[in-house]
Amino acid sequence: GAVVSQHPSWVICKSGTSVKIECRSLDFQATTMFWYRQFPKQSLMLMATSNEGSKATYEQGVEKDKFLINHASLTLSTLTVTSAHPEDSSFYICSAREKGYNEQFFGPGTRLTVL
Amino acid sequence: DAKTTQPPSMDCAEGRAANLPCNHSTISGNEYVYWYRQIHSQGPQYIIHGLKNNETNEMASLIITEDRKSSTLILPHATLRDTAVYYCIVRSTNNAGNMLTFGGGTRLMVKP
Repeated sequence: GAVVSQHPSWVICKSGTSVKIECRSLDFQATTMFWYRQFPKQSLMLMATSNEGSKATYEQGVEKDKFLINHASLTLSTLTVTSAHPEDSSFYICSAREKGYNEQFFGPGTRLTVL
Repeated sequence: DAKTTQPPSMDCAEGRAANLPCNHSTISGNEYVYWYRQIHSQGPQYIIHGLKNNETNEMASLIITEDRKSSTLILPHATLRDTAVYYCIVRSTNNAGNMLTFGGGTRLMVKP
């Protein structure tokens, strides 16, 4: 149980295009989902916290208009990187927390490369 | 949430026990100690967590000192597949967002 999937697992796009990453909880309902970013040889940095049915809460320094987060259902959250640039190239990881529990379960990550 | 300090890297021989230390000297009474690991190019994997008592599961054991200012994660028989970055995280039960703050972690290299 407690499986979180991400799609796609990797994506290459041209500068200026938008990319959508999906995060799904496969066998539980995730009232809260988290989006992290990880640059090479660095630790995970929290970007935003997303609660189902409400607006996401962004960490300081993360542009909400550039990283659009939608958590429309209890099993799906999406992160859209708008007008992507090479400096947005990174490993994007989501995690999900089931209602009533503290543990977070992480997805396998999505590697974004912007050319 | 309290900060943690971990050695940046450690080596361990295959089949031997890997003991990964974590210092959390400013931990407060309502804060749990969590351990996650991240194998290269994968998402973090939950290992174990505890509050005061030592804990054991199928993956590892967690030893927390009596004053709770430090802890040790023990992998009893390390295998090559245990090579990963191990993160020690302290999180309050009052953490409204339940978010996890990742530090630098310890890069464990299990060698044959």
